[in-house]
Amino acid sequence: DAMVIQNPRYQVTQFGKPVTLSCSQTLNHNVMYWYQQKSSQAPKLLFHYYDKDFNNEADTPDNFQSRRPNTSFCFLDIRSPGLGDAAMYLCATSRDGGGANVLTFGAGSRLTVL
Amino acid sequence: GQNIDQPTEMTATEGAIVQINCTYQTSGFNGLFWYQQHAGEAPTFLSYNVLDGLEEKGRFSSFLSRSKGYSYLLLKELQMKDSASYLCAVVDSNYQLIWGAGTKLIIKP
Repeated sequence: DAMVIQNPRYQVTQFGKPVTLSCSQTLNHNVMYWYQQKSSQAPKLLFHYYDKDFNNEADTPDNFQSRRPNTSFCFLDIRSPGLGDAAMYLCATSRDGGGANVLTFGAGSRLTVL
Repeated sequence: GQNIDQPTEMTATEGAIVQINCTYQTSGFNGLFWYQQHAGEAPTFLSYNVLDGLEEKGRFSSFLSRSKGYSYLLLKELQMKDSASYLCAVVDSNYQLIWGAGTKLIIKP
C-alpha cells in the first residue's frame, strides 16, 4: 500500500542533544511537509518542499532544519532540542502545492526531551 | 489576523447524532477541510468543501456557508470508534492551510 512512513515513532533525547526524524513516501507526491503538533493544539507548519524547492515558514526557529535528498525521503533535524520542542512531529505529503490539496500524513514521531 | 474557532470538547452518546461547528475569519477562502485525528495518531482526511451546501459521505456529512464563514461536520449513528479530535482547516487566498485547534469528541455508551 502506498503510504507515508515516519521513523522513529518515539524518540527520547536529552536537552541539547541533536535529533533527526525521517519520513519516506511511496505515493510519488511532489510536496512534503513537516508539522509540529503539541497536545490539543493545531498542527503548526514548520516547512515544506515542492520537489526540491525548500519553503521555510517565517516563524520556524533556526534550531529546525530539513533535508530532502530525493523525492521519497525527507528529514527533520533538531539541532539543539529544548524542553519546548517536545511534541508530535507529523510528516505529510500532497500531490501538488497549494493548500487545496488533500494531505496524507504519516503516523508521527513523538519527541520527548529530558 | 486569521482565526478558526471550534469547540474544545464535545460529548455524545453512542448511536446518536452530533454536529461539530467551525467558524472562520481568514484572508480569502479557497476551501475547507475536515480531518479526523485519533489520540496519538496522524490526522486523516474526511471531507473538503469549496461550494456552499451539504456533502454527504456515509455516516459523515459536511456543510459550508461561505457568506457566514461557517461549516459543520455532522456525524450520525455514532460509534465508539468515532471518539477522536476533529480538525477544521481553511485554505486562504494565498492557498495556505489555516488549522483550527480541533474538537475532541467523547462518545459514551
